[in-house]
Amino acid sequence: QQQVKQSPQSLIVQKGGISIINCAYENTAFDYFPWYQQFPGKGPALLIAIRPDVSEKKEGRFTISFNKSAKQFSLHIMDSQPGDSATYFCAASSPNTGTASKLTFGTGTRLQVTL
Amino acid sequence: DAGVTQSPTHLIKTRGQQVTLRCSPKSGHDTVSWYQQALGQGPQFIFQYYEEEERQRGNFPDRFSGHQFPNYSSELNVNALLLGDSALYLCASSRTQRRYGYTFGSGTRLTVV
Repeated sequence: QQQVKQSPQSLIVQKGGISIINCAYENTAFDYFPWYQQFPGKGPALLIAIRPDVSEKKEGRFTISFNKSAKQFSLHIMDSQPGDSATYFCAASSPNTGTASKLTFGTGTRLQVTL
Repeated sequence: DAGVTQSPTHLIKTRGQQVTLRCSPKSGHDTVSWYQQALGQGPQFIFQYYEEEERQRGNFPDRFSGHQFPNYSSELNVNALLLGDSALYLCASSRTQRRYGYTFGSGTRLTVV
């Protein structure tokens, strides 16, 4: 059962443009929503994360928008650069007493930023 | 400060064989989680170890087992390998007090032929 759905599967954006990746979740127990960036041959690296009590979080060129009632959240990359070309994963986590929470990942979006 | 270290980086095994993958967590981290990432897919949670015990487990068969040592390092063992076990295996470490502070390693690429 896929609990986090991610779209689009791939995205091509011109340098300086805005990249938008969307995710939807089903489990209302999720309380933490991170985005990860993964380059070929590397593990995922945390980009930005949000809690459901906040509707938007911005860090530099990266912004998460969160819609709790629709159970959707999205990543916006402003002024996209060729160095942003990577695969992006949304994820979600639910509370777990006593130990670190596990992450449920989306299927990923391959972003290509062209010159 | 070294991050999460995984070994080996690449591995080729034959169907039916057994494999052991290793992970050294980031300094100061005491919890290790393992994820399987098939080609073109997002990582899938296998299990998590804390205080040398398996604390959580994802939807993986018993062929997948693990261990955590007193120095917090961990091993992932897979028995009776299937072609479908070919994937990138990621180790992520964290501190129990910070439930969401994951650091991922670069992974071990396992190919089963």
